[in-house]
Amino acid sequence: GENVEQHPSTLSVQEGDSAVIKCTYSDSASNYFPWYKQELGKGPQLIIDIRSNVGEKKDQRIAVTLNKTAKHFSLHITETQPEDSAVYFCAARPNTGGFKTIFGAGTRLFVKA
Amino acid sequence: EAEVAQSPRYKITEKSQAVAFWCDPISGHATLYWYRQILGQGPELLVQFQDESVVDDSQLPKDRFSAERLKGVDSTLKIQPAELGDSAMYLCASSIRTSVSTDTQYFGPGTRLTVL
Repeated sequence: GENVEQHPSTLSVQEGDSAVIKCTYSDSASNYFPWYKQELGKGPQLIIDIRSNVGEKKDQRIAVTLNKTAKHFSLHITETQPEDSAVYFCAARPNTGGFKTIFGAGTRLFVKA
Repeated sequence: EAEVAQSPRYKITEKSQAVAFWCDPISGHATLYWYRQILGQGPELLVQFQDESVVDDSQLPKDRFSAERLKGVDSTLKIQPAELGDSAMYLCASSIRTSVSTDTQYFGPGTRLTVL
């Protein structure tokens, strides 16, 4: 089955700097890669996603890149703000079987003002 | 904006007691998921419904956990009896359909369960 590894587990940046979170996946059948932001005491909220027919997607300060050959995908947040502080999860879903989404372990991002 | 509703938000119980969680998905979403999230980890799928039918319950501890979605709309997850290791956040999510792997899942706020 699919396995998703996420790094780093904790990331601290200064306000205005960029933050990068990296994930790898194992199942070449995966074709959908969402990223979720989870604030304390709340459920995960989708912030951006990418499909395997696209190499990069951008939404304002957030961008995601996908390298299908290397089975890597990354989240880039530019001009970080204190409200970006949260736990971020990457995930991968294969287009086989029951389309079960597998999540990474999460990255806790701290943005220092 | 439509949201997934869950209740209760918090539940404290003693071990060996029964607990139940409720979820109301976004209107029109045929697929409903229950996840368990242990502190410091990502969500793990417990059970997935397509309308009222179970699609995947391979990770559901069936000796103590049960889930139903009788009319294909809202759903209940039950634990009986609860054990200390069940302490976690229980998340419900929904998506329009399950036949497309790229379908977006939307999560509810979760139920934080503490078993004493």
